[in-house]
Amino acid sequence: DIQMTQSPSSLSASVGDRVTITCRASQTISTHLHWYQQKPGKAPKLLIYDASSLQSGVPSRFSGSGSGTDFTLTISSLQPEDFATYYCQQSYNTPWTFGQGTKVEIK
Amino acid sequence: QVQLQESGPGLVKPSQTLSLTCTVSGGSISSGGYYWSWIRQHPGKGLEWIGYIHYSGSTYYNPSLKSRAIISVDTSRNQFSLKLRSVTAADTAVFYCARAAMTPDNWFDPWGQGTLVTVSS
Repeated sequence: DIQMTQSPSSLSASVGDRVTITCRASQTISTHLHWYQQKPGKAPKLLIYDASSLQSGVPSRFSGSGSGTDFTLTISSLQPEDFATYYCQQSYNTPWTFGQGTKVEIK
Repeated sequence: QVQLQESGPGLVKPSQTLSLTCTVSGGSISSGGYYWSWIRQHPGKGLEWIGYIHYSGSTYYNPSLKSRAIISVDTSRNQFSLKLRSVTAADTAVFYCARAAMTPDNWFDPWGQGTLVTVSS
């Protein structure tokens, strides 16, 4: 299985901060990498697909980059509604696997 | 827009079979181009993909479930289902159904709201 490792596991940030979350794959996955946001008690929501494509309806302050094994999710200016847990997911090989999550908390 | 909704018992006894159904609305499960998936999340933990079914009946299961999972589809009811046999307390989780694109890549969107299944006697 392809292992997905996110860093950091958690971070504290303030409204307006630029936040970057990293996802590393245990082998190359080209750009078969997707990002989700999950708020407490809710289902995950797709933010970014294919490493850098913004899902319809998602604010443009979210962006994704990377290819191969290293990927980043960036929130350019953190908003109150962005405090949540973020997951990456690879679809290069089955079984499709997720990172362990990065919790973004209020500083 | 397509919406998914999980249903099923919230409590299952150890060694029994967990059964959940996902009802799809706003679109046909037979329209093709998608894999209909189950994903679970242990309390306070990350996400684990269980497997998928295509409306044609083809399936894939995560080997981590050790062949305990069966996913089926009922196109007449626009539903797909999950059975997980021989459950233990370690199977306690929130179960989500989700649609995965087939091409050009496989991301999950949308998701159901999730249903908590507790395995306990």
